[in-house]
Amino acid sequence: AQKITQTQPGMFVQEKEAVTLDCTYDTSDPSYGLFWYKQPSSGEMIFLIYQGSYDQQNATEGRYSLNFQKARKSANLVISASQLGDSAMYFCAMRASNAGGTSYGKLTFGQGTILTVHP
Amino acid sequence: DSGVTQTPKHLITATGQRVTLRCSPRSGDLSVYWYQQSLDQGLQFLIQYYNGEERAKGNILERFSAQQFPDLHSELNLSSLELGDSALYFCASSTSLDTEAFFGQGTRLTVV
Repeated sequence: AQKITQTQPGMFVQEKEAVTLDCTYDTSDPSYGLFWYKQPSSGEMIFLIYQGSYDQQNATEGRYSLNFQKARKSANLVISASQLGDSAMYFCAMRASNAGGTSYGKLTFGQGTILTVHP
Repeated sequence: DSGVTQTPKHLITATGQRVTLRCSPRSGDLSVYWYQQSLDQGLQFLIQYYNGEERAKGNILERFSAQQFPDLHSELNLSSLELGDSALYFCASSTSLDTEAFFGQGTRLTVV
């Protein structure tokens, strides 16, 4: 079974500052992918960034980067130069694969972190 | 816009009723997933289809069922509705099993 833990129910950051949202995971599966999604108050789920368990480098997408530390089983999201529009709920999620490398497909989500960006 | 379309956006219905939620995946995506988001349970995986075949089941109640049609759109049927079924239901799609999933805007179901 897979488990995602997000220990920060809420985070505050000043506009233009960087912020790190924590995510730890637990799985016994040999390979897996880690995802971050953003959910604004309007409700939609927006894909932000993906990191594969065998990727050598940390993923980056614009102002988003994923600080992947495999030994610690952590996949923290770093948002640089925060903007007011970044205020939202952020979810960390994991997709695992079996020993044959076949993805299970489904995502397991953490409980989310509410990020508030102050002007 | 993710390219995943869900209808309706909002649904209010009475206990004991039956509703159908519809999802059109992104063009070319073979895999469709249904998730339920509620305040107490968070985001829970319900069921997954891949190219018309059921691939995985999660915490889906027996009162709930789903299918994926030949044109790859999917429907989630919820019957004998209870107050606790009130939630945001998401459909997501992906090209294959190990690519990122894109979510629709969700259907907000309120059971009164």
